[in-house]
Amino acid sequence: DAGVTQSPTHLIKTRGQQVTLRCSPKSGHDTVSWYQQALGQGPQFIFQYYEEEERQRGNFPDRFSGHQFPNYSSELNVNALLLGDSALYLCASSLLGQSYTFGSGTRLTVV
Amino acid sequence: SQQGEEDPQALSIQEGENATMNCSYKTSINNLQWYRQNSGRGLVHLILIRSNEREKHSGRLRVTLDTSKKSSSLLITASRAADTASYFCATDAKEGKLTFGTGTRLAVRP
Repeated sequence: DAGVTQSPTHLIKTRGQQVTLRCSPKSGHDTVSWYQQALGQGPQFIFQYYEEEERQRGNFPDRFSGHQFPNYSSELNVNALLLGDSALYLCASSLLGQSYTFGSGTRLTVV
Repeated sequence: SQQGEEDPQALSIQEGENATMNCSYKTSINNLQWYRQNSGRGLVHLILIRSNEREKHSGRLRVTLDTSKKSSSLLITASRAADTASYFCATDAKEGKLTFGTGTRLAVRP
């Protein structure tokens, strides 16, 4: 049974560019959440998707947007990248209200 | 913003010793969860304790929760080198949004 799959594992982008990160949830899970983890910090909640809608959002600017597809997979898009967007981006899936399974993350470096 | 603070920030112990990490948080919660993270990769869920529970065990892990003090502790007994990792507490106050603490870096010396 595959867990949460994230792609790519690493990526380097230039300031001002746009990036799309992808997440496939664990089989049977219908809810996907995204987190940003800066080096040496705990993860910070970006947003959560359920039934293809953004259900909750953390304190992140509109440059951060997402999408959930009918097969429950999800994308995180970040526009106009800043150096401060360099972080590990984690995807977590669950059944709504149940415990979470995290992916291994995408390490984004903005230069 | 971070909800909780883990204490200590770093802990180094000898294999076989017990490790205790503490977590404090600020708001009312539905549940509190502990996660382990190896080398800045994905988080592994360790244990979940609900707001109406006071203590929970899972293998070598023991978690306590004191909602009156807004604090929790994670005890790892008989530690092993493989327990070396960062440990985070996370509170779930509003269904679906986990708020993480700053983490405790645990090093277990062989």
